[in-house]
Amino acid sequence: EAQVTQNPRYLITVTGKKLTVTCSQNMNHEYMSWYRQDPGLGLRQIYYSMNVEVTDKGDVPEGYKVSRKEKRNFPLILESPSPNQTSLYFCASSLSSVNEQFFGPGTRLTVL
Amino acid sequence: EDQVTQSPEALRLQEGESSSLNCSYTVSGLRGLFWYRQDPGKGPEFLFTLYSAGEEKEKERLKATLTKKESFLHITAPKPEDSATYLCAVPRSSNTGNQFYFGTGTSLTVIP
Repeated sequence: EAQVTQNPRYLITVTGKKLTVTCSQNMNHEYMSWYRQDPGLGLRQIYYSMNVEVTDKGDVPEGYKVSRKEKRNFPLILESPSPNQTSLYFCASSLSSVNEQFFGPGTRLTVL
Repeated sequence: EDQVTQSPEALRLQEGESSSLNCSYTVSGLRGLFWYRQDPGKGPEFLFTLYSAGEEKEKERLKATLTKKESFLHITAPKPEDSATYLCAVPRSSNTGNQFYFGTGTSLTVIP
């Protein structure tokens, strides 16, 4: 089944404790992206990756890191999480940057 | 400044009462306008892509149209299962590829 998977689905952590949210797709997609969704602000792009060689910041990259060492995986890293990073996070992938995106099920993160 | 604005923020319809949702954009050099449906707590699900003014696409009770400044999602004779948040998104060219801007969505409730 074609899908985007994210883990964990739910995470409660404390300020400053490094964490990684994994994202994997099995559709051989080139373009992958991370979004955060907050009430009233909608979906905002954190980072995107055109392909394994190109990764760039979206609109809200502060406090996040990503890596794209292989085509299928695009983990999101929070080196020192803070309460303002409490949010619902979505990973997405698409064939290219102008095709429809397929979204993962989301990761609900709470930083205390 | 590139922007995507959706209206109304929320819409309540009686079952069978047709209406339209609006997505206006100011991105220059449109490379596609995407419509998604999002159920609570889930990732957005792709509905349509429109590429040029005058284009229309249909799926069951939904029809999306595009002009040079806005897109409409027309819902004909909606059913309760059409209740969801509807999002539109446009890609914007950046130095390294394409970012995506999402509108904040229209929350649709269809009352039986």
